[in-house]
Amino acid sequence: EIVMTQSPATLSVSPGERATLSCRASQSVSSNLAWYQQKPGQAPRLLIFGAFTRATGVPARFSGSGSGTEFTLTISSLQSEDFVVYYCQQYNNWITFGQGSRLEIK
Amino acid sequence: QLQLQESGSGLVKPSQTLSLTCAVSGDSISSGTYSWSWIRQPPGKGLEWIGYIYHSGSTYYNPSLESRVTISVDKSKNQFSLKLNSVTAADTAVYYCARASRLGRGYYFDYWGQGSLVTVSS
Repeated sequence: EIVMTQSPATLSVSPGERATLSCRASQSVSSNLAWYQQKPGQAPRLLIFGAFTRATGVPARFSGSGSGTEFTLTISSLQSEDFVVYYCQQYNNWITFGQGSRLEIK
Repeated sequence: QLQLQESGSGLVKPSQTLSLTCAVSGDSISSGTYSWSWIRQPPGKGLEWIGYIYHSGSTYYNPSLESRVTISVDKSKNQFSLKLNSVTAADTAVYYCARASRLGRGYYFDYWGQGSLVTVSS
C-alpha cells in the first residue's frame, strides 16, 4: 500500500496570505495525484487532478505541483472560505488518501 | 448536472450487514467512461476508499476490506449499492458514493454524494 503523508497537520495563516500544503508518497505515484477540499459537514470537493490540473469551477488561486513522491497544493491570497481541511489522494496503485491538513486563521 | 444520493440504514447491529444504495441522476451509470465508487470517513478522521464498480459489473476493492465488501450495480434503476458484512464499531462512518474519472493509471473522484452516516451499535 502506498502511504500518503500530509504536512503540516495544521497550518495557521492570515487571510490574504499564501498557504503551501505538502503531500509525500511512500513510493512514486508519477502524476497520479488529486487534491480535495472538505468543508465541515460536507463531502470532499475535487480541486486538482493529474497533480496540477484544476477541476471545473476551481478558482485560479488554487494550484498544484510536483511529481513522483513530492507534491504541493498552493493557495494564493487566502479567502475566508479556504480555512478548511485538504486531502491528497494517489491513484497510481489502488487508491489511498493522506490524513489531511487543516488550514486555520492566524 | 450529475447528482448522487445515498440511502440506507443509519444504524446497524454488530456482526450484521451494512447496506447502502447510491442513486445517480443526470448521467447514465452505463456510461463507459467512469467507474462508481464508495468511500468512507469515520467521525473526525480521514478518508478511506472502499471500492469501485464499472458499468460492466467488474469490481475492485480495497484489499483491507475485500473479504467483507460487495459492490453491485443496477443499470435499470441507474444506481449502485454497497454491502459490508460482519460489521463492528470500527465501521461506523459517513459513507460517500462518488463518480470516478480515469486519468493515467487510476481514478480520481469528481462528483460526490452528500454522505450517509452509518452507526454500528447494539
